[in-house]
Amino acid sequence: SAVISQKPSRDICQRGTSLTIQCQVDSQVTMMFWYRQQPGQSLTLIATANQGSEATYESGFVIDKFPISRPNLTFSTLTVSNMSPEDSSIYLCSVEDRGRTNYGYTFGSGTRLTVV
Amino acid sequence: ELKVEQNPLFLSMQEGKNYTIYCNYSTTSDRLYWYRQDPGKSLESLFVLLSNGAVKQEGRLMASLDTKARLSTLHITAAVHDLSATYFCAVCTSGTYKYIFGTGTRLKVLA
Repeated sequence: SAVISQKPSRDICQRGTSLTIQCQVDSQVTMMFWYRQQPGQSLTLIATANQGSEATYESGFVIDKFPISRPNLTFSTLTVSNMSPEDSSIYLCSVEDRGRTNYGYTFGSGTRLTVV
Repeated sequence: ELKVEQNPLFLSMQEGKNYTIYCNYSTTSDRLYWYRQDPGKSLESLFVLLSNGAVKQEGRLMASLDTKARLSTLHITAAVHDLSATYFCAVCTSGTYKYIFGTGTRLKVLA
């Protein structure tokens, strides 16, 4: 199955600053997904990133706040911009694991972000 | 808009007991997934259910899907402490690649 390396694993940031989260996949994938998981909550899809095109954002999420890059088929970044304490969450990237489609999607290890 | 609800949200059970977690969704779907999340960890894929009547089993966990009722169940047999985790179902709307997560069920198995 696909292996995703997500960095950083955690960070504590000052409000008003930005943090860029990276996900590296060990195989080529068409779509990468970015999720947010607020404390004690379920996962909410932020956006879908396709290589070579603009990311598609879900309702309630905008590019200015969460810019995404997808320079190639194995890598993507999510930036959390102008952070406030409300952005404190776990952020996860995910890919459809075509090598194991019957086993669903594979997730990165997550980035635990605390904004102070 | 696809909505996915799970119940119960919290479940505390004794070791050796059986219990079922329910996942209801609001629109037609062609794929449903179950995931496990341990505290502070990422998600681990458990099952994918692709058709009406599908049943998958792994150890003490068994998942089933009824697409007509828009319902999936995750049945726990003779629970053990190691099953303590949060369980999520996730549903794809037919014809899309996006999937929406359920609210999650936090399971605690007491020794």
